[in-house]
Amino acid sequence: EIVLTQSPGTLSLSPGERATLSCRASQSVSSTYLGWYQQNPGQAPRLLIYGASSRAIGIPDRFSGSGSGTDYTLTISRLEPEDFAVYYCQQYGSAPYTFGQGTKLEIK
Amino acid sequence: QVQLQESGPGLVKPSETLSLTCTVSDGSMSGFYWSWIRQPPGKGLEWIGYISYSGSPNYNPSLKSRVTISLETSKSQFSLKLTSLTPADTAVYYCATARGARSYFALWGQGTLVTVSS
Repeated sequence: EIVLTQSPGTLSLSPGERATLSCRASQSVSSTYLGWYQQNPGQAPRLLIYGASSRAIGIPDRFSGSGSGTDYTLTISRLEPEDFAVYYCQQYGSAPYTFGQGTKLEIK
Repeated sequence: QVQLQESGPGLVKPSETLSLTCTVSDGSMSGFYWSWIRQPPGKGLEWIGYISYSGSPNYNPSLKSRVTISLETSKSQFSLKLTSLTPADTAVYYCATARGARSYFALWGQGTLVTVSS
């Protein structure tokens, strides 16, 4: 099983700032099979990024993804109030499909 | 637009079996893979397993001995059965869909909270 470790656990920033979230895999993951999700309280996760860097339909271009091998990054260029949520990375290339433990992005 | 909706009991007793159904509205089930994912309160996400449009399942080894996922295309539904429940199975259960076996979860249901308690 591929273990995904996200850092930091909590990130405190202000609106307008840049956010950088990290996801490290216990073994190499093809970028084709790495995604990011956003989850707001009481809601289901929403797909943001697939294939490490492709934005899902309707996702603003302030969200971008990058990385390869074992290290992946989600960047939010300028934080909007609605961006404060929990973010999960996921690998879907090797079953069992696994998620990171999440990064909580909170308002400073 | 395709939507997913989970249904089932909110409270189940320990040692009993959980049965949940996901109804797919406004769309065909053909060509897609249909998954169950759960999230204990305040914790992260765990993939339980999927069933393909042709009826082939794939389960998380951590739950494989207790899980059955089945498909009923005539009703546009797929179902989850989880046996021998313990309080550790208390979670929000989501159904979700992907375009293939190795694909991201593009669409999720709203989730349903299941509490295991006597």
